[in-house]
Amino acid sequence: GQNIDQPTEMTATEGAIVQINCTYQTSGFNGLFWYQQHAGEAPTFLSYNVLDGLEEKGRFSSFLSRSKGYSYLLLKELQMKDSASYLCAVLDSNYQLIWGAGTKLIIKP
Amino acid sequence: GAVVSQHPSWVICKSGTSVKIECRSLDFQATTMFWYRQFPKQSLMLMATSNEGSKATYEQGVEKDKFLINHASLTLSTLTVTSAHPEDSSFYICSARAGDSSAFFGQGTRLTVV
Repeated sequence: GQNIDQPTEMTATEGAIVQINCTYQTSGFNGLFWYQQHAGEAPTFLSYNVLDGLEEKGRFSSFLSRSKGYSYLLLKELQMKDSASYLCAVLDSNYQLIWGAGTKLIIKP
Repeated sequence: GAVVSQHPSWVICKSGTSVKIECRSLDFQATTMFWYRQFPKQSLMLMATSNEGSKATYEQGVEKDKFLINHASLTLSTLTVTSAHPEDSSFYICSARAGDSSAFFGQGTRLTVV
């Protein structure tokens, strides 16, 4: 079957760095997405990785290792507004998005 | 970035009536559109995937006769909740993708059935 695992909840301190991991087992791979979702709102796109390596975009970076079926989202200089759920999703061989359950990130002052 | 417009943002309807939700890609041609439902405190649940000009592919457990999806053009897909009941009250979200690009999401529609 297809499976995406990410931690249910994480807590971090304002100004610190946090890494949210995602492991996946899917039928084929055509890219991995990270989305941010605030409560009551639709998810917003953060990053897309299809090749191995690190993609940096401001305070957010995303890493992919296809051989390990592993990705992480790195958030630097955490701000209170970063408190949200972070969703990992994989585009499988049929170009269907397979979603993880999301990681709720709690930022403390 | 690309814009996906979903309408309406919220709707209240009486039990037994039907509700149509529109999803439009404003500045790109969406070859594929996805419809999701979000249950409280849970992640998004994919309901169906539709490719322009063909019938939607529904996920297991989703009633295709109840949730009618039409993707007649490259910029518009609609989800019609037929004979809505209170248990259909939820947050419905569409996303659209052009080819292999990233998927962009609409603002979501909060449906309340009374």
